[in-house]
Amino acid sequence: ETGVTQSPTHLIKTRGQQVTLRCSSQSGHNTVSWYQQALGQGPQFIFQYYREEENGRGNFPPRFSGLQFPNYSSELNVNALELDDSALYLCASSSYRDSSYNEQFFGPGTRLTVL
Amino acid sequence: QKEVEQDPGPLSVPEGAIVSLNCTYSNSAFQYFMWYRQYSRKGPELLMYTYSSGNKEDGRFTAQVDKSSKYISLFIRDSQPSDSATYLCAMSWYTGNQFYFGTGTSLTVIP
Repeated sequence: ETGVTQSPTHLIKTRGQQVTLRCSSQSGHNTVSWYQQALGQGPQFIFQYYREEENGRGNFPPRFSGLQFPNYSSELNVNALELDDSALYLCASSSYRDSSYNEQFFGPGTRLTVL
Repeated sequence: QKEVEQDPGPLSVPEGAIVSLNCTYSNSAFQYFMWYRQYSRKGPELLMYTYSSGNKEDGRFTAQVDKSSKYISLFIRDSQPSDSATYLCAMSWYTGNQFYFGTGTSLTVIP
């Protein structure tokens, strides 16, 4: 069983640029959530995708956007990068079926530095 | 007020000690309570989850939830140097929903 993978591992951008981060969900999972983890902080929920539709969004501006593809992989796009966007971006996949608990499996993250 | 409060530590204990990690929360609608372990430069790894109030034990780990006090705990018995990591509490309203995380507690177990 393949776990959650993310690419790239590290990324350096300058303020005002745009960035795309990628996530491949675990086999059999149909839901992807994205989190931002600033240094010394807990992960903050950005949004979740289920069946290619946004299924919940945290307190992040519209310049944070995403996509989910038919194979359930996902992208996180951030436009007009700001210095405060520097963080570890985590992708978590889960299986959303019936009402049973579904564990979120996290990927290793992409560390984004904005200069 | 943050949804979830967690003492960031750092916490340093000798090998074999019992470790107690705690979180408080403000939203009484939370029903699912999780503890994640995060090693440096890695993604969080689920250790324990509990639905509603009560205790749950898994090996050296025990999770407790007191919904009346809005307080959750993770106990680690016979702590090992390999337990050195950041421990994050997380909670959610229902399955598949967004998780609210604490800031994490950094733990070092000294051999």
